[in-house]
Amino acid sequence: GAVVSQHPSRVICKSGTSVKIECRSLDFQATTMFWYRQFPKQSLMLMATSNEGSKATYEQGVEKDKFLINHASLTLSTLTVTSAHPEDSSFYICSATGTGQGVDNQPQHFGDGTRLSIL
Amino acid sequence: QKEVEQNSGPLSVPEGAIASLNCTYSDRGSQSFFWYRQYSGKSPELIMSIYSNGDKEDGRFTAQLNKASQYVSLLIRDSQPSDSATYLCAVTPGGTSYGKLTFGQGTILTVHP
Repeated sequence: GAVVSQHPSRVICKSGTSVKIECRSLDFQATTMFWYRQFPKQSLMLMATSNEGSKATYEQGVEKDKFLINHASLTLSTLTVTSAHPEDSSFYICSATGTGQGVDNQPQHFGDGTRLSIL
Repeated sequence: QKEVEQNSGPLSVPEGAIASLNCTYSDRGSQSFFWYRQYSGKSPELIMSIYSNGDKEDGRFTAQLNKASQYVSLLIRDSQPSDSATYLCAVTPGGTSYGKLTFGQGTILTVHP
């Protein structure tokens, strides 16, 4: 159980392109989804918290107009990197927690990640 | 002071030995604690969760929590080369966090044959 699917797994594109990444919870309803980025040999950096049906909450220093997040249903959240540049190249990972009581005690389940390379 | 601190390692142990991974946290109100394993180039996968003081065992893994000392650890018994990975300690902040986690920087574990 608790499977999170992330697509695509790898993207290589030209500078200026917008890239959409999908994150789906396959066997549970995800009230909250999280988006991280990870640079080589560094830990995960939380970018934003996404709640179904409401605007995402972005961490300090993350441009909300650059990284568009949509959480339209309890099983799908998307991250769009707009007008991507080489410095946006990174490993992007989504995670999800389920619904119900005790959400603060529920672990996050991670997707497989998307490796984004901007040329 | 970082909110969640781990020794970055690398920690090297021989196959069959016990690997001990440690983590301290600064928020005394933290209630939920998790250990994730991350292989190079992959996303984290959940190994253990622990919520109350004491030990919790799952197969070769034992998580230990001491809230008074703000300390959580992970023991891996009979370590195998396949256990070689980065281990991330994650903590739910005090108060209502809606599942948000604070991660340590990770400890690199190498198990050599």
